[in-house]
Amino acid sequence: QVQLVQSGAEVQKPGASVKVSCKASGYGFTGYKIHWVRQAPGQGLEWMGRVNPNSGVTDYTQKFQGRVTMTSDTSISTAYMELRWLESDDTAMYYCVRDRAWSFDYWGQGTLVTVSS
Amino acid sequence: QSALTQPPSASGSPGQSVTISCTGTSNDVGGYNFVSWYQQHPGKAPKLMVYEVTQRPSGVPNRFSGSKSGNTASLTVSGLQAEDEADYYCSSYAGNNIWVFGGGTKLTVL
Repeated sequence: QVQLVQSGAEVQKPGASVKVSCKASGYGFTGYKIHWVRQAPGQGLEWMGRVNPNSGVTDYTQKFQGRVTMTSDTSISTAYMELRWLESDDTAMYYCVRDRAWSFDYWGQGTLVTVSS
Repeated sequence: QSALTQPPSASGSPGQSVTISCTGTSNDVGGYNFVSWYQQHPGKAPKLMVYEVTQRPSGVPNRFSGSKSGNTASLTVSGLQAEDEADYYCSSYAGNNIWVFGGGTKLTVL
């Protein structure tokens, strides 16, 4: 069965960086793009961007341009999301999600990133 | 890119029908048939309920249906059940390889 398993919770200081991993299994990793979506505590969902594991091509929403990098390693079926220059407003649950027909069909369990001094 | 507009809350009694709206613009909801809906229970990851405006993934009950008119998409839940109580989010493709979500609607089953 399709699974996306993310790395564990992180606590980072303001100004630091965080890199979250997302290991895929149960399907052909290079056949589907991976999106990243975040959710601040008690808030709604926010689309951040996506990576095409087959080509490495990325698309980011303007808000995160220059501060986020999404990559993938096809040899281990894993996608990564790195966010730099963290601020307290970046405290959120970060989800990796598989792309399907212009929607998001399988979600990782989420990785809580806490930014606190 | 602005978020899509959803009512903060909706409610209905068991067995009734409830419709949740999702309003965007001609650049997103109105411009593409790529609206999807997600159900999120507390502490859980969202779950895809409807994609491409009206399509249901396998395993999603046919009580959930989607539609669109102009710049507004809707999710209707018929025959409300207690387990339908959750947060619901719409999403739309917005062109230029960008996606946008709605602010979410908390559905309460009375």
